Amino acid sequence: AQKVTQAQTEISVVEKEDVTLDCVYETRDTTYYLFWYKQPPSGELVFLIRRNSFDEQNEISGRYSWNFQKSTSSFNFTITASQVVDSAVYFCALSEAGSGTASKLTFGTGTRLQVTL
Amino acid sequence: DSGVTQTPKHLITATGQRVTLRCSPRSGDLSVYWYQQSLDQGLQFLIQYYNGEERAKGNILERFSAQQFPDLHSELNLSSLELGDSALYFCASSVEGWLETQYFGPGTRLLVL
Repeated sequence: AQKVTQAQTEISVVEKEDVTLDCVYETRDTTYYLFWYKQPPSGELVFLIRRNSFDEQNEISGRYSWNFQKSTSSFNFTITASQVVDSAVYFCALSEAGSGTASKLTFGTGTRLQVTL
Repeated sequence: DSGVTQTPKHLITATGQRVTLRCSPRSGDLSVYWYQQSLDQGLQFLIQYYNGEERAKGNILERFSAQQFPDLHSELNLSSLELGDSALYFCASSVEGWLETQYFGPGTRLLVL
């Protein structure tokens, strides 16, 4: 069964600090996708990034970067030079190919990031 | 703005009642998903529809049902409501519905008193 673990419940940083959010997943599938979503205080879920199981190339997009390592089943997310607007709950999610034609997302419990001045 | 719309934004009702949540997917998306976010259960997948047909079921209670109409909008019906049904209900959509990015609507916050 698929499972996503976000061990960090809450992280507090001061603005301009770098912060890494951890995500560990479990799956028996060889084909799967990993996602990060952001949920700001307003409540909506905002898509950030998607990675498939065959693409371990790490990516940097502005202040965001992602580190995908199949060997450790981890898909970590780093914010460089954090800003107050980054304050949100961040969710890691997994979608497996083996679920047939369906493609539900299995979410972790989320990490609440608080960035203060 | 994801392009997915949900109505109403907020809903307050009493135990035992029935409510209907509505979702319009992004233009061109054929697949609609419903998720429930509660404090104790987190974000959980409820059900998926693709082009009017049910494609997958998750942890959806028998008191809950959904459908997708020919114009591709979807409705989630919650009946015999209990206090524990209070949650944020999200609708998401994607083009086909398999290993794709799901774009979420703003959610409907349901409070059962």
